[in-house]
Amino acid sequence: DADVTQTPRNRITKTGKRIMLECSQTKGHDRMYWYRQDPGLGLRLIYYSFDVKDINKGEISDGYSVSRQAQAKFSLSLESAIPNQTALYFCATSDSRGQGAITGELFFGEGSRLTVL
Amino acid sequence: AQSVTQPDIHITVSEGASLELRCNYSYGATPYLFWYVQSPGQGLQLLLKYFSGDTLVQGIKGFEAEFKRSQSSFNLRKPSVHWSDAAEYFCAVGARTGGFKTIFGAGTRLFVKA
Repeated sequence: DADVTQTPRNRITKTGKRIMLECSQTKGHDRMYWYRQDPGLGLRLIYYSFDVKDINKGEISDGYSVSRQAQAKFSLSLESAIPNQTALYFCATSDSRGQGAITGELFFGEGSRLTVL
Repeated sequence: AQSVTQPDIHITVSEGASLELRCNYSYGATPYLFWYVQSPGQGLQLLLKYFSGDTLVQGIKGFEAEFKRSQSSFNLRKPSVHWSDAAEYFCAVGARTGGFKTIFGAGTRLFVKA
């Protein structure tokens, strides 16, 4: 089983609908992230959380919200989806302790492809 | 603010040929540098990282990268490409400001021809 699991893997929805993408991890990491991938733009950070009570905006947070329900769960919501939110979304984790504290290595889920019509 | 530039959107190499993917970064302090690979339908996987010490770093799958501070570069190399190396490659820089944030380049897609 994957250490970082995203659901759903694929979703097609209509403009104006509310969408939630969920992420759960079994790595025991304290930090979690949501990234968006668009062709030619690489990955851009939407939100990140360094622990359960800590939520921070990334570079492209407008139109998105997040919830850190537990250390292992971090969900991303689109309150009213629009077509330019069509993208591949990645959840990632990192560990603030040990080697992870030094290098900041990210561990990624397999992605959730969202299409907004 | 930190940034990462990958000048090549895509590269095609023949199987068995050598590979070099370019990466330039902008960051005011000593950077933490990464190369990640994304195979089709998969998430990103770390190939290698640099944060101190020897400027030539070895990674998984036979990849290596060299940090050149004078050129603000961290190019990825492999002496002999295999068909399974076809993927998208992302260079990234990590910054220790307000926690640890990672900024990604736009990616380079590698095609391998037989």
